[in-house]
Amino acid sequence: NAGVMQNPRHLVRRRGQEARLRCSPMKGHSHVYWYRQLPEEGLKFMVYLQKENIIDESGMPKERFSAEFPKEGPSILRIQQVVRGDSAAYFCASSPLSGYEQYFGPGTRLTVT
Amino acid sequence: GQQLNQSPQSMFIQEGEDVSMNCTSSSIFNTWLWYKQDPGEGPVLLIALYKAGELTSNGRLTAQFGITRKDSFLNISASIPSDVGIYFCAGPPQDTGKLIFGQGTTLQVKP
Repeated sequence: NAGVMQNPRHLVRRRGQEARLRCSPMKGHSHVYWYRQLPEEGLKFMVYLQKENIIDESGMPKERFSAEFPKEGPSILRIQQVVRGDSAAYFCASSPLSGYEQYFGPGTRLTVT
Repeated sequence: GQQLNQSPQSMFIQEGEDVSMNCTSSSIFNTWLWYKQDPGEGPVLLIALYKAGELTSNGRLTAQFGITRKDSFLNISASIPSDVGIYFCAGPPQDTGKLIFGQGTTLQVKP
């Protein structure tokens, strides 16, 4: 029973490039959430998606960031024209129902050089 | 916005000691979750609480949902070296789907 899968685990991008982070939820989970964690800090909510729908994107920066969870395939968090301040660990979580326990993946550590 | 305040910020204890940490909020939560995060890994769910006053155990871990719904406590009994890590409380504000997290309590255990 595989848990939440994220890839890549580590991603290095130069300033101005695009970063694409992938997340496959646990089997049977249709709710996906993305969080960002800066060093020495807690996790900060970014976006909540169900299949083909964005439910809550109140934590997403207005520019350069987008997320999707298509009918088929993993959820994608896309960061365009990355800047140094985007360097962080990005975690995906999934749950079977909204508001219940969320199970986290191992994260993608993005480094912008 | 809503915040969760965890204390203490860090703890350094001897192996075998009991540990207690708490989490408070200025607003009501209907669900409290406790996670542990090891370096370089994602948070792992330890305990979920759904009812005010509820006391739930998971092995050496015990967590309580405060009666006021504005706080929660996590206790670890007879600590061992593998308990080292950062412990986070979390909850969904106003029954939204998202979670907000406390700042974390860093636990170090001396063998």
